[in-house]
Amino acid sequence: EPEVTQTPSHQVTQMGQEVILRCVPISNHLYFYWYRQILGQKVEFLVSFYNNEISEKSEIFDDQFSVERPDGSNFTLKIRSTKLEDSAMYFCASAVDRTGNTIYFGEGSWLTVV
Amino acid sequence: AQRVTQPEKLLSVFKGAPVELKCNYSYSGSPELFWYVQYSRQRLQLLLRHISRESIKGFTADLNKGETSFHLKKPFAQEEDSAMYYCALHGGATNKLIFGTGTLLAVQP
Repeated sequence: EPEVTQTPSHQVTQMGQEVILRCVPISNHLYFYWYRQILGQKVEFLVSFYNNEISEKSEIFDDQFSVERPDGSNFTLKIRSTKLEDSAMYFCASAVDRTGNTIYFGEGSWLTVV
Repeated sequence: AQRVTQPEKLLSVFKGAPVELKCNYSYSGSPELFWYVQYSRQRLQLLLRHISRESIKGFTADLNKGETSFHLKKPFAQEEDSAMYYCALHGGATNKLIFGTGTLLAVQP
């Protein structure tokens, strides 16, 4: 069964550093997402991406965050200058359509900012 | 406002006992409701969606629009059911999932 894959599985970075989290969505999917989960809290929507542009973003997704699909297969989340509170598990997801019925999640990238 | 509430952080039952994981939602339109499961150190996996009215791994969930609930049930819990369960809502106009805080189900032998 096809899967969404994410790298790295775990990254430790110093506050103020830039981080890029990478995702390879399922190949025939058209909608891409990033969610995050701070330890002990719920999974929160960050951003959705379709047709090479952001379709929706949450309040969390401020100017420090950006997403890109540089080569038609990877989908990346960049945090420009990390803060301690960015420490979280970041989940990539992809979907065939926008019904909500076909959203598949990656295993997550655990980011620790020190 | 769109919101999903899972009132129990932890539900501990013995093997063979019935399980009900509660989920209530707030949404002005016709929502799509889902249950996701996350086993230890694994990804979020879709368990159930209300539109398909299916039973997966013995779990069922019925959407009750009057009570705005989508509780997850299983008549006889198994140890392998131990996991984190998230109720999620997908609103039509907005293409995103809104998750509850999750309930950790611990099935004791």
